[in-house]
Amino acid sequence: GAVVSQHPSWVICKSGTSVKIECRSLDFQATTMFWYRQFPKQSLMLMATSNEGSKATYEQGVEKDKFLINHASLTLSTLTVTSAHPEDSSFYICSEMGLGETQYFGPGTRLLVL
Amino acid sequence: SQQGEEDPQALSIQEGENATMNCSYKTSINNLQWYRQNSGRGLVHLILIRSNEREKHSGRLRVTLDTSKKSSSLLITASRAADTASYFCATDLTGGGNKLTFGTGTQLKVEL
Repeated sequence: GAVVSQHPSWVICKSGTSVKIECRSLDFQATTMFWYRQFPKQSLMLMATSNEGSKATYEQGVEKDKFLINHASLTLSTLTVTSAHPEDSSFYICSEMGLGETQYFGPGTRLLVL
Repeated sequence: SQQGEEDPQALSIQEGENATMNCSYKTSINNLQWYRQNSGRGLVHLILIRSNEREKHSGRLRVTLDTSKKSSSLLITASRAADTASYFCATDLTGGGNKLTFGTGTQLKVEL
């Protein structure tokens, strides 16, 4: 299957700062990537669909101005959490569409906002 | 919410036993997928079953799909301690643009 990396794997930041998370497709050109958020002991919730060369599509209830997504190339999508607050602390996971209908997930980024 | 429900929420078994997890969903699907997540890690794709399929096997995994009941089950046979993880079903909804809706998950613990 496809290989997806995320960077950083974990980050601690102060409240009010912005944090950028990178999602890279290492062996596949991904026109579509997805960003999910997972709170402790909960399931994954889709935040947005990232399309190469166009604006991301956000799920209901997700603030597009707070969670900025850029998908400038076929191998890189970034999620920037702007003005992060403690309630944004979560596990952020990206995925890419592989061949067929399977999604391949990155290892995740754990964000802790103090 | 379109989120699927899984049961049981938690399952503890002995090594060598079989583990069965169930998933129910609410609307029409293109396919249903099962994923595994080890604690604090990313997701590993296990198996995909399409809406016109009823059963699929992969190694020690057996997945069934009943679209009339909107439910699926994942059976892990001859479980091993290394199977300890959380298991999620995810549905690719009809007309959903390949977006996945995840179930609530089952935490499986396999004890030696």
